[in-house]
Amino acid sequence: AQKVTQAQTEISVVEKEDVTLDCVYETRDTTYYLFWYKQPPSGELVFLIRRNSFDEQNEISGRYSWNFQKSTSSFNFTITASQVVDSAVYFCALSKGTYKYIFGTGTRLKVLA
Amino acid sequence: DGGITQSPKYLFRKEGQNVTLSCEQNLNHDAMYWYRQDPGQGLRLIYYSQIVNDFQKGDIAEGYSVSREKKESFPLTVTSAQKNPTAFYLCASSVGSAGEETQYFGPGTRLLVL
Repeated sequence: AQKVTQAQTEISVVEKEDVTLDCVYETRDTTYYLFWYKQPPSGELVFLIRRNSFDEQNEISGRYSWNFQKSTSSFNFTITASQVVDSAVYFCALSKGTYKYIFGTGTRLKVLA
Repeated sequence: DGGITQSPKYLFRKEGQNVTLSCEQNLNHDAMYWYRQDPGQGLRLIYYSQIVNDFQKGDIAEGYSVSREKKESFPLTVTSAQKNPTAFYLCASSVGSAGEETQYFGPGTRLLVL
């Protein structure tokens, strides 16, 4: 069975703190893709990153970084020096092929000024 | 500007009424999707379409219907058979082959039952 678990339901941090959002996945496939999306209060899901199962290099984009570890089936997302605009619900997703994604239940991040 | 549009932003349904949610994209994407999001939950796939005139049921298709007559459009009808339709509905489209595609989302439609 394929599954994505985001155990952190809600996280609150003070502005400028670093925060890590956890994502653990389960799949028997050797080829798969992992994603992170941001859902601000407006509701639209914004694509942040896609990672394939053969590329375990960490990625950094500005204040965002992602750590992919196949050994622990995790794809964690870190925001450095958080800002109020980072407040949103963040979803991790797994592509199971045939156009279907498995989404986690999301982590609500609140960044307090 | 390229993107995905959904209308209306809010929609109210009366008991026994069918309602249709619009989704249009000008990204030239082949595949389109409909998801349902309930409070505090992740997204669940209702229907998806890989090409024009073809669509597949997702995990929660009962009470919903779709059509794909044009590449740009993928309307979703919530029928009276859907007993609990109150939710946030998101449309998406994607580029890339199966398993390698990246889905991009529209702004969503919030459906409320009167």
